[in-house]
Amino acid sequence: EIVLTQSPGTLSLSPGERATLSCRASQSVSSSYLAWYQQKPGQAPRLLIYGASSRATGIPDRFSGSGSGTDFTLTISRLEPEDFAVYYCQQYGSSSWTFGQGTKVEIK
Amino acid sequence: QVQLQESGPGLVKPSQTLSLTCTVSGGSISSGGYYWSWIRQHPGKGLEWIGYIYYSGSTYYNPSLKSRVTISVDTSKNQFSLKLSSVTAADTAVYYCAREGGIWGFDYWGQGTLVTVSS
Repeated sequence: EIVLTQSPGTLSLSPGERATLSCRASQSVSSSYLAWYQQKPGQAPRLLIYGASSRATGIPDRFSGSGSGTDFTLTISRLEPEDFAVYYCQQYGSSSWTFGQGTKVEIK
Repeated sequence: QVQLQESGPGLVKPSQTLSLTCTVSGGSISSGGYYWSWIRQHPGKGLEWIGYIYYSGSTYYNPSLKSRVTISVDTSKNQFSLKLSSVTAADTAVYYCAREGGIWGFDYWGQGTLVTVSS
């Protein structure tokens, strides 16, 4: 099973700042099968990025994804108040899906 | 717009079987191309994929839960279901159903249902 490790665990930033979230895999992941999700309290996760760098429908362009192999990054260029949430990376491989443990982006 | 809705008991006794159903609207499970999954989230914790079913009935389960999980599909009702046997308090979680399209990620989710295992 591929293990995804996200860092940092918590990111304290102010609105307007840039957020950089990391997702590292225990073995190489196909970029086609790496996704990012946003989850707010009491809500289901929402797909932000699929295929490592493609934005899902309706996702603002301040969200971008990059990376390949074992290192992937989600960047939020300028934090809006509604962006403070928990973010998860997720991969598909060997007929199994796994998620990272999450990064919480909180207001500083 | 595809919508998913979980339903089932919110309280299950230890050692019994947890049963949930996901009803899909706005799209047909039978149309193919998507995997229909169950995912859970323990209170205050991260996401754990439980397993998926394809419209044909083929399934794949998380190896850590495989011995206790059964996922089935009823295409006539546009529903798929989860059964988790021999539950313990460790199975207390919010259970989500979701649609996954391979490279497209989990693009549609139910709102989630909290299942508590307690006597």
